[in-house]
Amino acid sequence: TQLLEQSPQFLSIQEGENLTVYCNSSSVFSSLQWYRQEPGEGPVLLVTVVTGGEVKKLKRLTFQFGDARKDSSLHITAAQPGDTGLYLCAGDQGGSEKLVFGKGTKLTVNP
Amino acid sequence: DAGITQSPRHKVTETGTPVTLRCHQTENHRYMYWYRQDPGHGLRLIHYSYGVKDTDKGEVSDGYSVSRSKTEDFLLTLESATSSQTSVYFCAISGGALNYGYTFGSGTRLTVV
Repeated sequence: TQLLEQSPQFLSIQEGENLTVYCNSSSVFSSLQWYRQEPGEGPVLLVTVVTGGEVKKLKRLTFQFGDARKDSSLHITAAQPGDTGLYLCAGDQGGSEKLVFGKGTKLTVNP
Repeated sequence: DAGITQSPRHKVTETGTPVTLRCHQTENHRYMYWYRQDPGHGLRLIHYSYGVKDTDKGEVSDGYSVSRSKTEDFLLTLESATSSQTSVYFCAISGGALNYGYTFGSGTRLTVV
């Protein structure tokens, strides 16, 4: 059983469109993180959300942590080809030195 | 400067041979992790270390061993490589406050033929 479920698994859109990807769980997390991974490289941390209901913005990316701290979403406005990559969410359940990762959403933004 | 490096970046090996992958960090972080990444499975934890000579198993540890004799180095050994261990292996480091996240290496692509 996957602790963190990400959807959709694949997403292919045109440049300029908006999109939202989701990260859901039945478990509560102390914090949730989003990473982006480009081909041939390791994941790179984009943001950490810690407080239930928290919203963080990073340029055209908006991250939200659910009120119950069980889910998160990533919204991209006016997507660009440079946004192409694998987006991973990861959760810290507290009391452990390990993060739990979702399987990722593979985003392709076509010019 | 990367702060974390993995070597080699690519390796092809034969079934049944031992293989060692190296992760080196310059951040003096306490925690180090080895993951494998496979299509349809995402990132799966193999082993992790919480200090020199302190290691523990992850969810897919069978067939793998690790060693950490110095803070900066974390070695992953495939004792007798099998085709099912063909994968991309990532090392990650953390200072311990997980809300600061992991820093990942660039990965090692291992092919077992």
